[in-house]
Amino acid sequence: GAGVSQSPSNKVTEKGKDVELRCDPISGHTALYWYRQSLGQGLEFLIYFQGNSAPDKSGLPSDRFSAERTGGSVSTLTIQRTQQEDSAVYLCASSPVARYGYTFGSGTRLTVV
Amino acid sequence: RKEVEQDPGPFNVPEGATVAFNCTYSNSASQSFFWYRQDCRKEPKLLMSVYSSGNEDGRFTAQLNRASQYISLLIRDSKLSDSATYLCVVNDNFNKFYFGSGTKLNVKP
Repeated sequence: GAGVSQSPSNKVTEKGKDVELRCDPISGHTALYWYRQSLGQGLEFLIYFQGNSAPDKSGLPSDRFSAERTGGSVSTLTIQRTQQEDSAVYLCASSPVARYGYTFGSGTRLTVV
Repeated sequence: RKEVEQDPGPFNVPEGATVAFNCTYSNSASQSFFWYRQDCRKEPKLLMSVYSSGNEDGRFTAQLNRASQYISLLIRDSKLSDSATYLCVVNDNFNKFYFGSGTKLNVKP
């Protein structure tokens, strides 16, 4: 596609439920990143993929968070047993080569009630 | 120490003013540098890359000082539409990007 596509754009879920967020990067972009941003806060790095492997998972806040990428393309971020503090905008970005910077999707706004 | 540090602002300037932001980074081996712009409740968007020789794009000028490990962004003739948060981003050599927390700019009529 022309840009990074994320779905859903908005998700409201009950505390304790699992959610799955999807990112479809720009075609051909080998690097894929997940961030989250709470209201009024900066970006918090979660995980980075190069192809299908995740060399850096250091930002995942707890073992309730996991992510995978298949076929070097689509990635899913799964949050199990959601908590209210998980409420944030989850942003995905992709890049062909690091020196070109990367392009963000418009994010998934997650609200845990 | 944070990898990338920015003055959070806000910078409140009148239309037409010139404003400059600085950003410092801690890793001397950093390879690539960028400025992103983020509007309220929107995703960050790439404003410009920062090259060693400095570069200009219209009213925007970016500079890199490797010796002192900082990058700067200068905005001339500020417009109301320049109001946003400006994020400094630094890339190491391993596809890892580090974001500053952003500098908020408010351009007033």
